[in-house]
Order: sequence, then structure tokens, then C-alpha cells
Amino acid sequence: QVQLQESGPGLVKPSQTLSLTCTVSGDSVSSIGHYWTWIRQYPGKGLEWIGYIYYSGSTHYNPSLRSRITVSVDTSENQFSLELSSVTAADTAVYYCARGTRQWLGEYFDYWGQGLLVTVSS
Amino acid sequence: DIQMTQSPSTLSASVGDRVTITCRASQSISVWLAWYQQKPGKAPKLLIYKASTLQSGVPSRFSGSGSGTEFTLTISSLQPDDFATYYCQQYNEQRSNSYSTFGGGTKVDIK
Repeated sequence: QVQLQESGPGLVKPSQTLSLTCTVSGDSVSSIGHYWTWIRQYPGKGLEWIGYIYYSGSTHYNPSLRSRITVSVDTSENQFSLELSSVTAADTAVYYCARGTRQWLGEYFDYWGQGLLVTVSS
Repeated sequence: DIQMTQSPSTLSASVGDRVTITCRASQSISVWLAWYQQKPGKAPKLLIYKASTLQSGVPSRFSGSGSGTEFTLTISSLQPDDFATYYCQQYNEQRSNSYSTFGGGTKVDIK
């Protein structure tokens, strides 16, 4: 059974960097065909794809966030991480990590973490 | 980016009803569409991928159809466990700058 679990602070101050980690069990972050992804959901319910990392280290980011994002992977710990810099109140959301399964040129998300509410406030 | 528009945004129905939710893409995405169910306080759950392929373990009362720009999710006989919010997601990432996008959601509540 594949499981993902987000961890990190629930409160971040404006202009600081949001740092989250996703721990994967039941699968390897080195598995072929799976793209380890971050998605967020705003309080009003909209879902936004943030970006992914593949085991090879290749990344793909949402163009609207590209200048502020870094996604990295730690194969020894079977984890992947998100850093989002210069946060504002608009970055307040529930952050999910998910496993993307590749079909042709894109991915659908078959396993998700439970989600972590991150609030940006002073 | 490809915009996904779901309708209706809210749907009131009764147990046993046949329910249909529509998702339209701003440009053709072939069959690269997934459907998710989300309950309050929980992560989305994958129901269908590649427009019509049922994810393992998902009840057969759920079905998906469509291609190109118009897609539907149908629940053949609504059950109490099905009252939730449903989202579509396109994953037709043909260009290097393209990425996955979600519809705005359809809340199915009790009539």
C-alpha cells in the first residue's frame, strides 16, 4: 500500500521560505514512471499543480511559480521536498504531495498525502 | 495553460438518482483526463483516468466518457457515500511550458 505523508511548519511568516517534506512508503521515489508531485488547494477549493521531480532529478514547475520553487528528492530517505520562497498570504493553502503516474506526456495522481494546511501570516 | 470548466458547480440529488457532471477543456486534450472525488478534510481520490478507465477498487456505478474538449462523469445510482465534491484534471502536457490543470469542482449534495 503506497502512502505519502507531508511534514513541515503550519505557519510561515510573509517573505520567508515555506519548506515541506513528503515521506513515501510502499513505493520508491526511484521507481520508473512515477513523478513525485506537489499540489495545493486554496481555502475556496481550487486545486493548483505546483511541480514535480522524477527520480533522475529532472523537474517541471508551474510557470507562475517557477521563480520561487525548488523541488528536490532524497532517495536515501525515500522523501521529496518543496521549497517556496518569498511567500505571501496568497500562498496560504493546503499542500498535498502526490504520486503522479505517467501516461503519454502527462500524469494522473493515484496516491495523495493527507494534506498539510500552511498559513502565511505574521 | 489549458482551462478546465466544470458544470454545474453544485448539484442537488437524491439517493438512487443518476448524476452527470460535465467538464470542458479550452482546447483538445484527447483522452488525457482524470476524475477525482473529495470529501471534507480529505485528499482527492482518483476515480477515473484516461477519460474512461476506472481506477482499481472504484465502484462500477462510476463511469467516464468523452474526448477532445468535452467529458462527462456519470454516477449511475447515487449512494450515500457519493455526496462529495468532484474534480476533473487534464494532463495533456504536450509543450515544455504546459502543465496539469484542474476544474473548479462540482459539489454533489443531498436534495
